Amino acid sequence: SAVISQKPSRDICQRGTSLTIQCQVDSQVTMMFWYRQQPGQSLTLIATANQGSEATYESGFVIDKFPISRPNLTFSTLTVSNMSPEDSSIYLCSSGTGGAYGYTFGSGTRLTVV
Amino acid sequence: DQQVKQNSPSLSVQEGRISILNCDYTNSMFDYFLWYKKYPAEGPTFLISISSIKDKNEDGRFTVFLNKSAKHLSLHIVPSQPGDSAVYFCAARGNAGNMLTFGGGTRLMVKP
Repeated sequence: SAVISQKPSRDICQRGTSLTIQCQVDSQVTMMFWYRQQPGQSLTLIATANQGSEATYESGFVIDKFPISRPNLTFSTLTVSNMSPEDSSIYLCSSGTGGAYGYTFGSGTRLTVV
Repeated sequence: DQQVKQNSPSLSVQEGRISILNCDYTNSMFDYFLWYKKYPAEGPTFLISISSIKDKNEDGRFTVFLNKSAKHLSLHIVPSQPGDSAVYFCAARGNAGNMLTFGGGTRLMVKP
């Protein structure tokens, strides 16, 4: 299965600023997913990113707040824009092609907004 | 509307005994169900999956059972080891889009 390198692993940011999270996959993958895990909560899908097309956002998430880039089949970024303390969460990227073999996750980015 | 639910937030078992983690779902269109293990400061790690057309899948110490009529699945770990202590997430894949819907997680503590 693919290996995903995610960075940064953690950051503390000032409110009103933006942070870009990067995920690099060691093989070409069609679909990449971005999730958020708020404190004590489960993983919630933010958006699905396919190479060559606009990302598809889930209800409650908008492109202006969470712009995503997918320039090629091995790389994606998620930006958390105009941050507030409510954005403090763990952000995770994921890729995969089939249910039988699961989906691989990056190690996550723990974001704290102060 | 929570389509995937894990009703037990935590579970404590003795080393060597069986751990049973449960998960319920509401959407009959899910085609795959997966279990993930998550340690603090790490991403979720895939454990085992089961197709919606099966009722059991086994991989070493891990067995997943699916009861479609009850919309219920469970993960059995036997024998449980202290290294199994982690948060376990049940997830389901919709047959349109490949995205996963996660349950709330169950924290498993295996005592030596």
